[in-house]
Amino acid sequence: EIVLTQSPATLSLSPGERATLSCRASQGVSSYLAWYQQKPGQAPRLLIYDASNRATGIPARFSGSGPGTDFTLTISSLEPEDFAVYYCQQRRNGTITFGQGTRLEIK
Amino acid sequence: EVQLVESGGGLVQPGRSLRLSCAASGFTFDDYAMHWVRQAPGKGLEWVSGISWNSGSIGYADSVKGRFTISRDNAKNSLYLQMNSLRAEDTALYYCAKDPSGSYFWYFDLWGRGTLVTVSS
Repeated sequence: EIVLTQSPATLSLSPGERATLSCRASQGVSSYLAWYQQKPGQAPRLLIYDASNRATGIPARFSGSGPGTDFTLTISSLEPEDFAVYYCQQRRNGTITFGQGTRLEIK
Repeated sequence: EVQLVESGGGLVQPGRSLRLSCAASGFTFDDYAMHWVRQAPGKGLEWVSGISWNSGSIGYADSVKGRFTISRDNAKNSLYLQMNSLRAEDTALYYCAKDPSGSYFWYFDLWGRGTLVTVSS
């Protein structure tokens, strides 16, 4: 099973700052990585797929990079609505696993 | 409106069974693979199972293999999860999720609001 490790567990930043979230895979997953945002009491929302492609309706301040084993989700300038939990997910070899999540909180 | 609506959750004793349903609307259901993803209270996301558009490809997480069975009825635009031999660790909010692929397991681009399953005596 491919294990995804997200860091940091919690990130405290202020609106307007730049956020960098990391996801490391235990083995290479090519570009088969997605990012999701989940707010309290809501279902997750797809942000990024195939490492760097924004999903429909996702603002340009969200960007992703890869491929390989080390991936990054960057939010260029934080808006108040961006404070949430973020998960990465891989789809290599027909199996799907998620990272444990990064909580982005207001400083 | 494009949506997924789950139902069938509830309180069940360990060792018993439960069947979840997901009703899809607003898109061509039989074009896409579908999945169940769960989230234990206060925890992260766990993929449970997926099924391709024609049920030709099915996959399960190791944690549920042999106990859970996924199925779909394209005529009814519905996805199901039969859960047998339930354990306390199966307690979670179960989400139905749509895949942008028809035949493969890729990502989840549409989610329902979830149905809560609680396994307890």
